[in-house]
Amino acid sequence: GENVEQHPSTLSVQEGDSAVIKCTYSDSASNYFPWYKQELGKGPQLIIDIRSNVGEKKDQRIAVTLNKTAKHFSLHITETQPEDSAVYFCAAFNQAGTALIFGKGTTLSVSS
Amino acid sequence: DARVTQTPRHKVTEMGQEVTMRCQPILGHNTVFWYRQTMMQGLELLAYFRNRAPLDDSGMPKDRFSAEMPDATLATLKIQPSEPRDSAVYFCASAAASGRSEQYFGPGTRLTVT
Repeated sequence: GENVEQHPSTLSVQEGDSAVIKCTYSDSASNYFPWYKQELGKGPQLIIDIRSNVGEKKDQRIAVTLNKTAKHFSLHITETQPEDSAVYFCAAFNQAGTALIFGKGTTLSVSS
Repeated sequence: DARVTQTPRHKVTEMGQEVTMRCQPILGHNTVFWYRQTMMQGLELLAYFRNRAPLDDSGMPKDRFSAEMPDATLATLKIQPSEPRDSAVYFCASAAASGRSEQYFGPGTRLTVT
């Protein structure tokens, strides 16, 4: 079945720096890759997603890139702020294309 | 604004007791997912429904867990009997008609089994 690996598990940056989180997936048929942000005590919230027909997508300070050949995708956060501190999850569809398989998460800490 | 709701938000119970968690998906969404989150395992898919029919519950311990959708506005996850290892946060998520559309998560039910 689909397997999603996420790195790093923890990431600490200074306010204003950039943060990059990387994920790899195993099923070459996967074509939808969302990123979720989870704040303490809350459910995961979708922040950006990308489909396999594009290589990059941006939304203000966040961007996602996709390399289908290498089967990896990355989340980029620029000009980080303390409120970006949270756990970030990547995901990809399972083989049947019916449910998401999540990475283990990255705890991002942004210090001011 | 439209959101997934879950009740209760917190539940503490003794081992052996029945636990029922409820979820109201976003109106119009026909796909509902149940996830369990623990520090060790992360986010695990337990089961999901489309148009109230179960599509996959292979992630669920069948002997003690059951999931149902009595109607389009209510999904339930039951554990009977509960065990300490069931302690986790349980999330419900819903998605619109397309199976490959965005999933929206509820706030979760934090379950503690003593």
